[in-house]
Amino acid sequence: AQSVSQHNHHVILSEAASLELGCNYSYGGTVNLFWYVQYPGQHLQLLLKYFSGDPLVKGIKGFEAEFIKSKFSFNLRKPSVQWSDTAEYFCAVSPEPIQFYNQGGKLIFGQGTELSVKP
Amino acid sequence: DAGVTQSPTHLIKTRGQQVTLRCSPKSGHDTVSWYQQALGQGPQFIFQYYEEEERQRGNFPDRFSGHQFPNYSSELNVNALLLGDSALYLCASASRVGNTIYFGEGSWLTVV
Repeated sequence: AQSVSQHNHHVILSEAASLELGCNYSYGGTVNLFWYVQYPGQHLQLLLKYFSGDPLVKGIKGFEAEFIKSKFSFNLRKPSVQWSDTAEYFCAVSPEPIQFYNQGGKLIFGQGTELSVKP
Repeated sequence: DAGVTQSPTHLIKTRGQQVTLRCSPKSGHDTVSWYQQALGQGPQFIFQYYEEEERQRGNFPDRFSGHQFPNYSSELNVNALLLGDSALYLCASASRVGNTIYFGEGSWLTVV
């Protein structure tokens, strides 16, 4: 079965520390990869996405992620976190091309990583 | 503002009852998906609607059903509620020409 695994349930960092959140997926075919963030009391927001091309993708708010196909990984990174980055982060995989009108476009999420940044 | 609106935001139901949750997609979007997010877990895909038909379904029992209207809005219905149905229910929308899924803020359902 297709699945997504996020290695850390809760990460605590001080401001200015570097961040790396791990994400591994199990699926042998073509995938589209996403990182979503959920700030307290807010909706899920897209941080970044990878469909094809350069495996290093840059997203909003200084986040980036690297797709390593051989490791089935899509880790999220940020060089220097801020207190405002405190949130829950979800990695998600779409195991088929994003053509919602005929292919569903189902997202498979990891269980999430709660990030707490201390001021 | 994600543009996807859901109602109600919170509700409490009794075990065995039925519930209907509503979703209006972002302007210009024509496909709607529903997810269940239990506390401490990632969202789980329930089903997706396009052109008023269920296109794909996750591993949820038939107690979970849905509908999409001609204006693209959608409803999620859950019958015979169980305590385990307590969760945040998320609606997501997308357009067939785009490749980004937008989520609403969700409806918190508590079953007592």
